[in-house]
Amino acid sequence: AQSVTQLGSHVSVSEGALVLLRCNYSSSVPPYLFWYVQYPNQGLQLLLKYTTGATLVKGINGFEAEFKKSETSFHLTKPSAHMSDAAEYFCAVILDSNYQLIWGAGTKLIIKP
Amino acid sequence: EAQVTQNPRYLITVTGKKLTVTCSQNMNHEYMSWYRQDPGLGLRQIYYSMNVEVTDKGDVPEGYKVSRKEKRNFPLILESPSPNQTSLYFCASSGPNQPQHFGDGTRLSIL
Repeated sequence: AQSVTQLGSHVSVSEGALVLLRCNYSSSVPPYLFWYVQYPNQGLQLLLKYTTGATLVKGINGFEAEFKKSETSFHLTKPSAHMSDAAEYFCAVILDSNYQLIWGAGTKLIIKP
Repeated sequence: EAQVTQNPRYLITVTGKKLTVTCSQNMNHEYMSWYRQDPGLGLRQIYYSMNVEVTDKGDVPEGYKVSRKEKRNFPLILESPSPNQTSLYFCASSGPNQPQHFGDGTRLSIL
């Protein structure tokens, strides 16, 4: 079955440190890839997306992600974490239909002062 | 402004009392979907709709109904709510191969 795996349900980094949230998907066809962020007590907001073209995608709030087809990965990074980045992050993929998203389980990002 | 609007945002009710959560989008999207979010379980899809009068079950459809009589509206109906349906619910919509736009969520408590 097709799936999206986010490694680590919780990731803790110090303020100012690199943020790396991992996402791998299982598919042999080119995917459409998304990262969403959910701040406490809020809905889901699109952070960035990959559809076609450049494999390094820049999003809001200084985040970026790189699509690596050979590794079937779409990891999310940010060079320097801020306290305001504390949230839950979801990776999602459109694989074999035009609409249906397959969701990762989410990663809670904790920022230590 | 492009948006997905859910109502109510919060609801506390009792077991067995029918309720409807409304969802409306103003982006002329064909696709709409309902999710529930529970701690540790991520987002699970309840029902989705590819277009008017076309609906299909997601991963956790038991105890829920939906309808899609108009393109903009996709209500979620709980005919006989039970405590295990206490959850945070999200409605979303999208065009083909596009990111989904989400509503602000509806927090349901079934006592």
